[in-house]
Formats: sequence, structure tokens, C-alpha cells
Amino acid sequence: KQEVTQIPAALSVPEGENLVLNCSFTDSAIYNLQWFRQDPGKGLTSLLLIQSSQREQTSGRLNASLDKSSGRSTLYIAASQPGDSATYLCAVSQDSNYQLIWGAGTKLIIKP
Amino acid sequence: DTEVTQTPKHLVMGMTNKKSLKCEQHMGHRAMYWYKQKAKKPPELMFVYSYEKLSINESVPSRFSPECPNSSLLNLHLHALQPEDSALYLCASSQGLGEFNQPQHFGDGTRLSIL
Repeated sequence: KQEVTQIPAALSVPEGENLVLNCSFTDSAIYNLQWFRQDPGKGLTSLLLIQSSQREQTSGRLNASLDKSSGRSTLYIAASQPGDSATYLCAVSQDSNYQLIWGAGTKLIIKP
Repeated sequence: DTEVTQTPKHLVMGMTNKKSLKCEQHMGHRAMYWYKQKAKKPPELMFVYSYEKLSINESVPSRFSPECPNSSLLNLHLHALQPEDSALYLCASSQGLGEFNQPQHFGDGTRLSIL
């Protein structure tokens, strides 16, 4: 059974720092891995989707990597800003594209 | 701004009330989803519609009744809910169940409180 883990559960860093969020999964047979952002009381915003054949995806200050063999993904945020404060969730798509298997999320706080 | 619109944003109802949650998307997506999210937990899948037909029901109690009137609209009818049903209800859409590498797009959700 696929399990997705995100460590740490919470992270607080000063503004301007580069940071890395981690996501690990137990079964490497995935179609893709997605990173989402959720602001308090809001829905989820899809940030990046990495297909199983890809190694990384970039969008602005965000870079997501995927290492299927080791069951790991990282989300790199460059030059963090207070507006980046949110909960970041990763999810893998495995034997179907509707059933996403979610991590519990990392709550990120960027201090001004 | 989200491309998936959910109404209402907040809903308070008694256990005997009947209410409906609404979701709309105009991206031409053929798959639509209902999720339930409790505080500090990831979303839990409830229902999946594909081409306006119910494809997946994740063993959801019958007091939740989904409906897909057309390809752009998704409703969730609520009746005789319990206090433990209080949660954030999220709607999502994607291009289609056969499109394996397309993201799901989420609305901002309806915050539901059962008195």
C-alpha cells in the first residue's frame, strides 16, 4: 500500500532564505507526483506536476524534483517571501489518475 | 482566482435541514470530484464524475447525494447530516479520467458546520 510522508510537519524560516520541502513515498510505481499549496481556509492550488518519466519541473521561484528509485521528491523555494506562507502538500497518482495519495503536508511560515 | 467556483463559501445547517453545495467550472473538463477535508488533514475523495456519470463513490453515506446536471456543474445534496460531517468540502476538476498527467484544479471550498 502506497504511503506518502512529508517531513517536517512545520517549518519557520526568515524571509529571503532558500528552502527545501521533502516528500517521500513507499512505492515507486507512480504515474506522477504533484505539489499543491493551501492557504488557511482555502482550496488547493496545483503548483507543479512531475510525470514519472521526468526528473524536475520549474515554475518561477519553485523547482520540484523527483527521484522515483529512492521514492523522494523535493520542492525548492528560492528567495522565500512572507506570501509563500501556506501549507504545502504532495500527492502521488498511482494506479488511477483520480485517486491521489496525499502526504499530511508541511506548514511553512516565512517571517518578515 | 480559482477557475473552479464553489458556492456558498460558508454554510451552517441543522441536522434536519436539506441544503446543496454547488460547483462550476468552465475549463471544458470532463472529470469532476468532491472531497471532504477535516482540519489539518489532507483531502479525502468522496465522489468522481466522468462525462456527467458517477464513476466512483468512495463508500460515502447516503446522506450525501451528488448530482451532475451538465458537464460544467456539480452539486452535492445534503440531508440529515451529523456533527462529524462538519468540514471543508472541496470540488475539483480535471481534463478527464483517461488523462493521466493532468492536474486536478480545486475550488476554494465550502466550509460546512453542522449544529
